[in-house]
Amino acid sequence: AQSVAQPEDQVNVAEGNPLTVKCTYSVSGNPYLFWYVQYPNRGLQFLLKYITGDNLVKGSYGFEAEFNKSQTSFHLKKPSALVSDSALYFCAVRADTGRRALTFGSGTRLQVQP
Amino acid sequence: DAGVIQSPRHEVTEMGQEVTLRCKPISGHDYLFWYRQTMMRGLELLIYFNNNVPIDDSGMPEDRFSAKMPNASFSTLKIQPSEPRDSAVYFCASSLGGHLYRYFGPGTRLTVT
Repeated sequence: AQSVAQPEDQVNVAEGNPLTVKCTYSVSGNPYLFWYVQYPNRGLQFLLKYITGDNLVKGSYGFEAEFNKSQTSFHLKKPSALVSDSALYFCAVRADTGRRALTFGSGTRLQVQP
Repeated sequence: DAGVIQSPRHEVTEMGQEVTLRCKPISGHDYLFWYRQTMMRGLELLIYFNNNVPIDDSGMPEDRFSAKMPNASFSTLKIQPSEPRDSAVYFCASSLGGHLYRYFGPGTRLTVT
């Protein structure tokens, strides 16, 4: 079975400061990893993915994520947070073979204060 | 492309009534997913289709839930009879190839009273 853990329900950061949203995963085989963002009353929007290759993945809106196989982590980062980054962030995983369904984490609410 | 289209956007119904949620995936996408989002349980995969064929329905909570995909451009999720605990936001998503990222629809907010 595959699973995702997002240990923080909420992350608070001041505008201009770096942010990190944590994600760890468990999967049989090689992982495909994703980050999605959800704004109020909207569907999920894709931010970035790791399939293979460089461990540091760059995505939309200045976000990036670092894949760490030994720690089974895929933390989302941004060097300088914006108030408009405030939203709900979901990490998701699936194995590279077999079941195509993504398993999502419980979500982390990011609050960026001006 | 207009993206994934879901209807209705909001549905309020009484317990015991039948509810049908609709989804039009992005044209050309061969995978379609139904998710449910609640505060308590987060985002759960209910069922997904590949080329209109249901592949995995292990997330469907009960026999009251059923989903169909009669063609590549349309899917329904039906709840009969509905119960208050079914209240949630239901998302449809589609993708081209199951390993690529999903495009999510705006969701249907279902309230069962």
